[in-house]
Amino acid sequence: DQQVKQNSPSLSVQEGRISILNCDYTNSMFDYFLWYKKYPAEGPTFLISISSIKDKNEDGRFTVFLNKSAKHLSLHIVPSQPGDSAVYFCAASVRDAGNMLTFGGGTRLMVKP
Amino acid sequence: GAVVSQHPSRVICKSGTSVKIECRSLDFQATTMFWYRQFPKQSLMLMATSNEGSKATYEQGVEKDKFLINHASLTLSTLTVTSAHPEDSSFYICSASQNLAKNIQYFGAGTRLSVL
Repeated sequence: DQQVKQNSPSLSVQEGRISILNCDYTNSMFDYFLWYKKYPAEGPTFLISISSIKDKNEDGRFTVFLNKSAKHLSLHIVPSQPGDSAVYFCAASVRDAGNMLTFGGGTRLMVKP
Repeated sequence: GAVVSQHPSRVICKSGTSVKIECRSLDFQATTMFWYRQFPKQSLMLMATSNEGSKATYEQGVEKDKFLINHASLTLSTLTVTSAHPEDSSFYICSASQNLAKNIQYFGAGTRLSVL
C-alpha cells in the first residue's frame, strides 16, 4: 500500500512557464513533507519542506502548498528553467518517529528551452 | 553545510565477493543514517536505518546477513553487500540526518553496484 503517491510519472513544461508537481498521501499521521530533486546516477538533493501547521512555504522559485484536508501537496516552480529538468520526489514523515521518510514514486520533469 | 559523501561511486565485482560502501557526514554529526536501494525507474526503497552505536533496523524483506550495516561513529556508516550476486546489482544511496534538523535527510551521491 503506497502511502505517498505521485500520480504523474512525467511532466513537460516550456521554459519560463510554471511547473506544478503533485503528491498525495494517505497516512493522516504525516506531519512533515519534503521535496527532493534527483539527477540520474546522483543522490537526491533536498529542495524545500513544509510542516503540517502551514499551508504554504516559499523559497525563491520554489513554493510548496499543503492541503491537509485533501491530503495533497504540490510543488510549484516558476519560472521553470532547463536546469530544473530532473526527477522530483515528494516525501512525508512523522516527526519524532526516527526521521524516517516515505517517498513517492517520483515525477520526471522536462523543461524545454 | 550538510554534505554527505558516499564512496565508491561505482563498483564492479565478481559474483561471490563482498563489497563495502562508505557513507560519511562531512560537516555534521549524524545520529541516524539510512540506506536505500533504487531500481531503474523506481522510487527509493528504504533498506535499513542505523543509529550510532546500535544495531541497524532492517525493513521487511531485507536480509540483514546479506546487507551488513555498521554505524561505528557519528560521521560514518558502512554497508557491506556480502557474497554479492547479479541480482544485487543496483543503485545504493545513503542519507544522514541531524537530530535537530526538521526530519531532513541529506543524501550521498549513490553507489552503482554491478555484479558480474
